[in-house]
Amino acid sequence: DAMVIQNPRYQVTQFGKPVTLSCSQTLNHNVMYWYQQKSSQAPKLLFHYYDKDFNNEADTPDNFQSRRPNTSFCFLDIRSPGLGDAAMYLCATSRGERNTEAFFGQGTRLTVV
Amino acid sequence: AQSVAQPEDQVNVAEGNPLTVKCTYSVSGNPYLFWYVQYPNRGLQFLLKYITGDNLVKGSYGFEAEFNKSQTSFHLKKPSALVSDSALYFCAVRDSNSGYALNFGKGTSLLVTP
Repeated sequence: DAMVIQNPRYQVTQFGKPVTLSCSQTLNHNVMYWYQQKSSQAPKLLFHYYDKDFNNEADTPDNFQSRRPNTSFCFLDIRSPGLGDAAMYLCATSRGERNTEAFFGQGTRLTVV
Repeated sequence: AQSVAQPEDQVNVAEGNPLTVKCTYSVSGNPYLFWYVQYPNRGLQFLLKYITGDNLVKGSYGFEAEFNKSQTSFHLKKPSALVSDSALYFCAVRDSNSGYALNFGKGTSLLVTP
């Protein structure tokens, strides 16, 4: 089945140690999103790509970076994780029309120790 | 800027009764509106969307939503709630005048009691 896959499901990292979260899709969608979600709060959009075109939200900390080497893969890099970065990170994709829904992966729960 | 508001943190309803989860939106252009459901430690699942046309939209699992342009609302409804509907519900919006950002409300926890 076509889907959005996030690896790993659970990630533990040390305070200040760089960590990368991965997302892949088999839907061939143009748009890929990264969201941060804390404790049943609203998913907060960090950034999104339309193909290679990167769009950063104004309030996304510089500590968060992203790469999209090809259509299928997108990575979230946290350069120096702090305790406040512990959260669920959700990847999503959508087709290149604004009236289409987004499809979400299962998420990666990040713990910072 | 586009935004959505979900005024209720929690909605409680008895099984078999109708349910409503509220959402209002703000956009500069035309709204594209979406409802998602989230179960614990899972991603978000798409329920339904409004893009244009009929104000009553039908979606998955018996859910429907009513678009009201004058009240800038898009409330989620179901005629008869099930215990298994208990979950976190999110409303989301994309603005026809903006890019592809999809912004979510804070969520409403639905609890259906037997």
